Amino acid sequence: ILNVEQSPQSLHVQEGDSTNFTCSFPSSNFYALHWYRWETAKSPEALFVMTLNGDEKKKGRISATLNTKEGYSYLYIKGSQPEDSATYLCAFWEVNTGFQKLVFGTGTRLLVSP
Amino acid sequence: GAGVSQSPRYKVAKRGQDVALRCDPISGHVSLFWYQQALGQGPEFLTYFQNEAQLDKSGLPSDRFFAERPEGSVSTLKIQRTQQEDSAVYLCASSPRQGEHYGYTFGSGTRLTVV
Repeated sequence: ILNVEQSPQSLHVQEGDSTNFTCSFPSSNFYALHWYRWETAKSPEALFVMTLNGDEKKKGRISATLNTKEGYSYLYIKGSQPEDSATYLCAFWEVNTGFQKLVFGTGTRLLVSP
Repeated sequence: GAGVSQSPRYKVAKRGQDVALRCDPISGHVSLFWYQQALGQGPEFLTYFQNEAQLDKSGLPSDRFFAERPEGSVSTLKIQRTQQEDSAVYLCASSPRQGEHYGYTFGSGTRLTVV
């Protein structure tokens, strides 16, 4: 069974704090790692699709890095705002006997207080 | 449509009742996925369609679960004789085609509560 682990499970920060969380995944047979943001009562929204070792992606105050050799990705939020409060999910692209799908971690729940 | 639409948004079913959950993907998206998210867990894969063909149903937890996409657009996930353990958020997602480079566009989900 393929394991995608995220830590911490939840995080509570103050507005203006910078924060980061981790996604760990199998280092073999790597194709892609996705990050999604899921705000309460909304749809999960794609943030990044990362495919190359050493990849760094940025979207506003959010950025992500990828290390496929050691099997981890970091998501950083600079100067957190209350609107950043959401669950952040990472997902590993699994290829198995011709079938392919995203395997999700359990998410990191971020709460940013004003 | 502009996004992936799921209905109903909430469903309360009595144990033993059959339910049908609908997903309307983005027009032209070839790939359609169903995921189940239980409380405190990440989304778990249920099944995958490429157009009308169900190519992977390895995640369906039992033969009470059935999915179809007869014309390659709208999909329905049916759960027969619902049990309490079926209570979860059911997410539908679509992407332009199969491949690791394509992010999924998700619907808002259907929250199913079995009482």
